[in-house]
Amino acid sequence: KQEVTQIPAALSVPEGENLVLNCSFTDSAIYNLQWFRQDPGKGLTSLLLIQSSQREQTSGRLNASLDKSSGRSTLYIAASQPGDSATYLCAVGSSNTGKLIFGQGTTLQVKP
Amino acid sequence: SAVISQKPSRDICQRGTSLTIQCQVDSQVTMMFWYRQQPGQSLTLIATANQGSEATYESGFVIDKFPISRPNLTFSTLTVSNMSPEDSSIYLCSVGATRTEQFFGPGTRLTVL
Repeated sequence: KQEVTQIPAALSVPEGENLVLNCSFTDSAIYNLQWFRQDPGKGLTSLLLIQSSQREQTSGRLNASLDKSSGRSTLYIAASQPGDSATYLCAVGSSNTGKLIFGQGTTLQVKP
Repeated sequence: SAVISQKPSRDICQRGTSLTIQCQVDSQVTMMFWYRQQPGQSLTLIATANQGSEATYESGFVIDKFPISRPNLTFSTLTVSNMSPEDSSIYLCSVGATRTEQFFGPGTRLTVL
């Protein structure tokens, strides 16, 4: 059974700092991995999707990497801003059914 | 990307009653899913909504409690039946296809008294 873990559970950094969020999964037989952002009381916004054959994806200040063999993904946020404050969720697609298995999330606070 | 709307956005209900949540997508999609997010928790998949046939439920979720309809490729409903306070959660629908990005609706925040 696939399990997804995110570390740390919470993170507080000063504005401008570069930071890394971690996601690990127990079964390396994945189809893809997706990073989402969730603002309090809101739905999920898709940030990046990495297919199992890819090593990384970039969008603006965000870079996500994937190491299937070690069961790890990282989300790198450059030059953090207060507007980046949110909960970040990683989710693994482990089958061709499209189902996602989510980690518990990392709640990020960027202080001005 | 798909634009997804959900109705209602929030509701407060009495225990023992039922609530039907609607999910509408602006384009035809292959797969639709329903997730639950309990307070302070991450998302758990309830079921895959299949067009024209019965939904596929995950372990721990049953059709009598969470009946789902999907009459076409752009619309689905989830009913939370015979509600108890433990059903207080955010319910989210999502759409996608195999190997592609999944997109989520804004969610329905349900409080059961």
